[in-house]
Amino acid sequence: GENVEQHPSTLSVQEGDSAVIKCTYSDSASNYFPWYKQELGKGPQLIIDIRSNVGEKKDQRIAVTLNKTAKHFSLHITETQPEDSAVYFCAAILNSGGYQKVTFGTGTKLQVIP
Amino acid sequence: DSGVTQTPKHLITATGQRVTLRCSPRSGDLSVYWYQQSLDQGLQFLIQYYNGEERAKGNILERFSAQQFPDLHSELNLSSLELGDSALYFCASSIRGQNTEAFFGQGTRLTVV
Repeated sequence: GENVEQHPSTLSVQEGDSAVIKCTYSDSASNYFPWYKQELGKGPQLIIDIRSNVGEKKDQRIAVTLNKTAKHFSLHITETQPEDSAVYFCAAILNSGGYQKVTFGTGTKLQVIP
Repeated sequence: DSGVTQTPKHLITATGQRVTLRCSPRSGDLSVYWYQQSLDQGLQFLIQYYNGEERAKGNILERFSAQQFPDLHSELNLSSLELGDSALYFCASSIRGQNTEAFFGQGTRLTVV
């Protein structure tokens, strides 16, 4: 089955610096890769996603890159702010017809130091 | 507020018991997903329903079952509870059947004692 590894498990950055979180997956059939932000006491919130036919996607300070050959994808947050502090999860999803398989990474706790 | 409502927020029960968790999706969303989040297992997909029918199954134990009703709310039933079932259980919903624009509820924290 699919295996998703996420690194680092914790990340501390100074406010204004960039943060990068990386995930690798094992099943080349996975075709959709969302990133979630989970704040304390809340459910995960989708922040950005990318499909297997796209190499990069950007939304303001957040970007995601996908390397299908190497089977890894990364989340990039620029100009970090204290409110970016949270746990971030990547996921690899295989959507095929009516079938879906979802595998999450183990999470990265990001701390942005003011 | 995501628009997904989960009840109860907290639940404490004894081993061997059975509980039911409830989820009301966002208005207009046809698909409901259930997830389990625990310290040792991380975030795991359990099951998905779309318009009343089971669409996909993940790491859901046989002691667990779910259903989606005609009004689209969903219930997750957990039976013969064990200490290891203690976790946060999240429900998410989306308009379509693919896990794309999925919105999560705030979760139900289940503690089995």
